[in-house]
Amino acid sequence: AQKITQTQPGMFVQEKEAVTLDCTYDTSDQSYGLFWYKQPSSGEMIFLIYQGSYDEQNATEGRYSLNFQKARKSANLVISASQLGDSAMYFCAMREGSGYALNFGKGTSLLVTP
Amino acid sequence: DSGVTQTPKHLITATGQRVTLRCSPRSGDLSVYWYQQSLDQGLQFLIQYYNGEERAKGNILERFSAQQFPDLHSELNLSSLELGDSALYFCASSGYPLNEQFFGPGTRLTVL
Repeated sequence: AQKITQTQPGMFVQEKEAVTLDCTYDTSDQSYGLFWYKQPSSGEMIFLIYQGSYDEQNATEGRYSLNFQKARKSANLVISASQLGDSAMYFCAMREGSGYALNFGKGTSLLVTP
Repeated sequence: DSGVTQTPKHLITATGQRVTLRCSPRSGDLSVYWYQQSLDQGLQFLIQYYNGEERAKGNILERFSAQQFPDLHSELNLSSLELGDSALYFCASSGYPLNEQFFGPGTRLTVL
């Protein structure tokens, strides 16, 4: 069964606008971690933001914030003031319990237009 | 730059051959993870080492093996290569195993 679901294969946003990338997850563990990574066309995986299941506040890192809704099992990434350099694939990932591996979603391709 | 290095960047080889991918983790990180990214399977976890010992195993084929050396660098060995093994292979490292993982630039393997 798919643990991480990213329902938006592709998204467009205009420069300077905010955009939300959706991520829902499936786990029966109480302790888990949620991650977002960015993969530009050059191929590297860039860590963006992390949210622990026990964290009460939504995580923020600069222009990135994670809208964590535990009851709905969603962990959406919000990018504020989009820039052309934000055009990339974005992956949501989850680490469950005491496991170490990341389970990745299929990704969302974001294109920022001028 | 994540601080994780991988060599080589690109590798082209033939079916049936054996290759070795190398990874050096960030300074001080004890955990190394290997992932495979392909068009049909997406990003999949292969295996994790912590301070020289295997800690977790994912969807790693029997033809694949890995190890982590005393200096903490890691190697992923792929043998009897098939066309379907063509993929981008990432190494990632973390300090404490439950911390965020930082990825290297990847090795793009093409099997002809």
